Amino acid sequence: QKEVEQDPGPLSVPEGAIVSLNCTYSNSAFQYFMWYRQYSRKGPELLMYTYSSGNKEDGRFTAQVDKSSKYISLFIRDSQPSDSATYLCAMRGGSNYKLTFGKGTLLTVNP
Amino acid sequence: GAVVSQHPSRVICKSGTSVKIECRSLDFQATTMFWYRQFPKQSLMLMATSNEGSKATYEQGVEKDKFLINHASLTLSTLTVTSAHPEDSSFYICSAKTAVGSNYGYTFGSGTRLTVV
Repeated sequence: QKEVEQDPGPLSVPEGAIVSLNCTYSNSAFQYFMWYRQYSRKGPELLMYTYSSGNKEDGRFTAQVDKSSKYISLFIRDSQPSDSATYLCAMRGGSNYKLTFGKGTLLTVNP
Repeated sequence: GAVVSQHPSRVICKSGTSVKIECRSLDFQATTMFWYRQFPKQSLMLMATSNEGSKATYEQGVEKDKFLINHASLTLSTLTVTSAHPEDSSFYICSAKTAVGSNYGYTFGSGTRLTVV
């Protein structure tokens, strides 16, 4: 079993839809959870950063972490064509600075 | 916000030659930098971790004599792919550990697409 599982998609939605992206993980030592957005042939950019369990909201984005289920989610409200990109989940343990990434989900928002 | 500048963005080289990729932290000091490799439709695979002034720590299966990493200053880390071969063609990305409030985040460079012909 891989440490982090993420459905690669592709996921295609109409503009304005609510998008739900998810990752599951197996390592209970993970404490910090991140979502990155990566446009084609570019480096990832940090969208959300969450420590431990709970929700975090930033504009149209909401990140949820459920450590008991080892499951994290990213919700995008009112999706826009400019949100079309690959979304990567990433996580790390408390004292280990190495990130473990999911495979990424390719999202297309159609106008 | 923290910015990591990575150059070149694309490079094509002949088989057997060496290529150097640079990553600079523009407005902060990067004590730790990470180098990743990404194949098409795949996730980022960590190659090595470099700390300023010390030798890089390589992940299992990564040839340290082939992928030379230098982190001689707090603002510059370089990855040199030596004696490149077509199988080394990939997307290489650097990342620096940066402060996010009282915790740490990671700022990525824009990546380098290496094609070995």
